[in-house]
Amino acid sequence: QVQLQQSGPGLVKPSQTLSLTCAISGDSVSTASVAWNWIRQSPSRGLEWLGRTYYRSKWYFDYAVSVRSRITISPDTSKNQFSLLLNSVIPEDTAVYYCVREDFWLNDAFDVWGQGTMVTVSS
Amino acid sequence: DIVMTQTPLSSLVTLGQPASISCRSSQSLVHSDGNTYLSWLQQRPGQPPRLLIYKISDRLSGVPDRFSGSGAGTDFTLRISRVEAEDVGIYYCMQTTHLPPVTFGQGTKLEIK
Repeated sequence: QVQLQQSGPGLVKPSQTLSLTCAISGDSVSTASVAWNWIRQSPSRGLEWLGRTYYRSKWYFDYAVSVRSRITISPDTSKNQFSLLLNSVIPEDTAVYYCVREDFWLNDAFDVWGQGTMVTVSS
Repeated sequence: DIVMTQTPLSSLVTLGQPASISCRSSQSLVHSDGNTYLSWLQQRPGQPPRLLIYKISDRLSGVPDRFSGSGAGTDFTLRISRVEAEDVGIYYCMQTTHLPPVTFGQGTKLEIK
C-alpha cells in the first residue's frame, strides 16, 4: 500500500522560502509509471496544481505558469522522497499543500494523496 | 487552460435518495490516444481529497459501487445511487487530458437533508 507522509513548517514569513517534503512508502520516486505532484488548496483559489516530476530515463519537470518563476520540485532517490520549494512567498500562498501520486498505468489517476500541510504566510 | 465548471455548487439530498453532479469542460477532454482523462474526487470534512473515479467511469478499488461516472467530450456526470451519511463532503471533477496544467472544478458541496 502506497503512502505519502508530508513534513515541513506551517508558518513562513513573507519573501522567504516555503519548503515541504513528501516521503514515499510502498513505491519508488523513480518508478517509471508514475509522477509525483504538488497541489494546493485555499478558499480563494480552490484546488490548484503546482507541478510534478517523473522519471523516464531522466528526470522531467512540469510547473504551473502561475508559480513557474518561484517553484522547484526535487526528487531525492537516496531518501525516496520529493520536495517542494516555493520562494518569495506572499500571503496569497497561504494554503493547504498536498503531495499526490499520479499513476500512468491506472490511466493517469491521482490515486494517493498525502495528509496535507497547512502553510500560513505571515510575519 | 481548461476551465472545469460544476453544477450545482451545493446539493441537499435525503438519505437513500440519488444525487447527481455535473461537470463541463471548456473544450473536449478526448486525448490524442483516444482516452478521456476525467476524474472525480471526494473530500470529506477535514480530510484530503480522495480519488473516486478516473477515466470518466472507472472506480478506484474500494470505492462503493453506488458511485458511478458517465459522459463524453465536454459533459460529465457523477451519480450516487443512494446517498449515505458518509457521502457528505465536497466533490470535484478534474482533468488531466490537457496538462500541464491539471485543472479542477470549483467543487460541489453535498449535504444531507
